[in-house]
Amino acid sequence: GNSVTQMEGPVTLSEEAFLTINCTYTATGYPSLFWYVQYPGEGLQLLLKATKADDKGSNKGFEATYRKETTSFHLEKGSVQVSDSAVYFCALTPYNQGGKLIFGQGTELSVKP
Amino acid sequence: GAGVSQSPSNKVTEKGKDVELRCDPISGHTALYWYRQSLGQGLEFLIYFQGNSAPDKSGLPSDRFSAERTGGSVSTLTIQRTQQEDSAVYLCASSSGLAGRVTQYFGPGTRLTVL
Repeated sequence: GNSVTQMEGPVTLSEEAFLTINCTYTATGYPSLFWYVQYPGEGLQLLLKATKADDKGSNKGFEATYRKETTSFHLEKGSVQVSDSAVYFCALTPYNQGGKLIFGQGTELSVKP
Repeated sequence: GAGVSQSPSNKVTEKGKDVELRCDPISGHTALYWYRQSLGQGLEFLIYFQGNSAPDKSGLPSDRFSAERTGGSVSTLTIQRTQQEDSAVYLCASSSGLAGRVTQYFGPGTRLTVL
């Protein structure tokens, strides 16, 4: 079946620290991969995506590379800010299944000044 | 243009009552998705529509749950005989196509509390 596994949170970092949130997936065929973010009190929004192997998605200083050989899509940012505090969800859309998203359990990030 | 809107934003109901949740997708978006976010189960897919038809209802938890879409636009998710385990945030998303790489845009959600 299709599934996504993320590192458990909460993750607490100091401002300007390096961030990695691990994400691995199981899927048949060639899924597309996504990171969504949910800021406090706000709705879910797309952070970045990659649609084929070796693609790198990037946005707002965040990056993630689609690694087919390790079935991973780890999220990284070189220097986090307090405003990055949020819950981050890794997700995939299985190949040819109408675009439905399969989400990981979410990782809460708290950045302290 | 406007984003995805959902109503009501909050709904409190008694166990055994029926509820209807509404989703207005982004104008022109042909695909519409319903998800549920709960503490125990995380974010789960429920159903999606292409136009007015629902090719995949595999995520609906029981036959108490149903959904429809009319005019290729507004969708309603109905939960009959609500149970306490139905308490969750129900999210709607829309996109311009069904391809997995197409971005889905989410609404703010309806928080359902079953007493």
